[in-house]
Amino acid sequence: TQLLEQSPQFLSIQEGENLTVYCNSSSVFSSLQWYRQEPGEGPVLLVTVVTGGEVKKLKRLTFQFGDARKDSSLHITAAQTGDTGLYLCAGGLGANNLFFGTGTRLTVIP
Amino acid sequence: SQTIHQWPATLVQPVGSPLSLECTVEGTSNPNLYWYRQAAGRGLQLLFYSVGIGQISSEVPQNLSASRPQDRQFILSSKKLLLSDSGFYLCAWSGYRGEKLFFGSGTQLSVL
Repeated sequence: TQLLEQSPQFLSIQEGENLTVYCNSSSVFSSLQWYRQEPGEGPVLLVTVVTGGEVKKLKRLTFQFGDARKDSSLHITAAQTGDTGLYLCAGGLGANNLFFGTGTRLTVIP
Repeated sequence: SQTIHQWPATLVQPVGSPLSLECTVEGTSNPNLYWYRQAAGRGLQLLFYSVGIGQISSEVPQNLSASRPQDRQFILSSKKLLLSDSGFYLCAWSGYRGEKLFFGSGTQLSVL
């Protein structure tokens, strides 16, 4: 059973455009994380959100945790080619209980 | 600072051959250790995790096994590889709560 669904699955945009990636579930999570993965490498943690409604900003990236702690979004402003990669959300259900989403592959075209 | 090493980076093995992937962590003690498998460009599937030496939890019944002979060493093994074992294998570590993962660079395994 897939707990976390990400949308869109693939996204190709021009440099400078804005975009939003979604992570949705019917389960309530104690925390929600976002990772970015480049080809042939392991995922790298970008952010962790733990409070319903929490918003965190990391330069041009804005992360939001849904009020009910079931969903999250990642918004990128003025995308750059360096933002290209696979974005994975992961929901925490307690210690050693982290479930990864299906992933969104982002391509930013120069 | 903590670092995680995983090798080899790529591996091509015939069906029926054995497998041994190794992962070591430096700069931390008593980490939680994990093995994940990733289908091409997709999400991660947890295979095994360990909270201590000799303690292994299996999440998915399969052709693979894991061992933790030392505090900061985690090994993924198989006696006889199947075609379906092909994939990108990732080792990761975390603190005791297991809510933030730090990944190795992965091993691309192709079983032919």
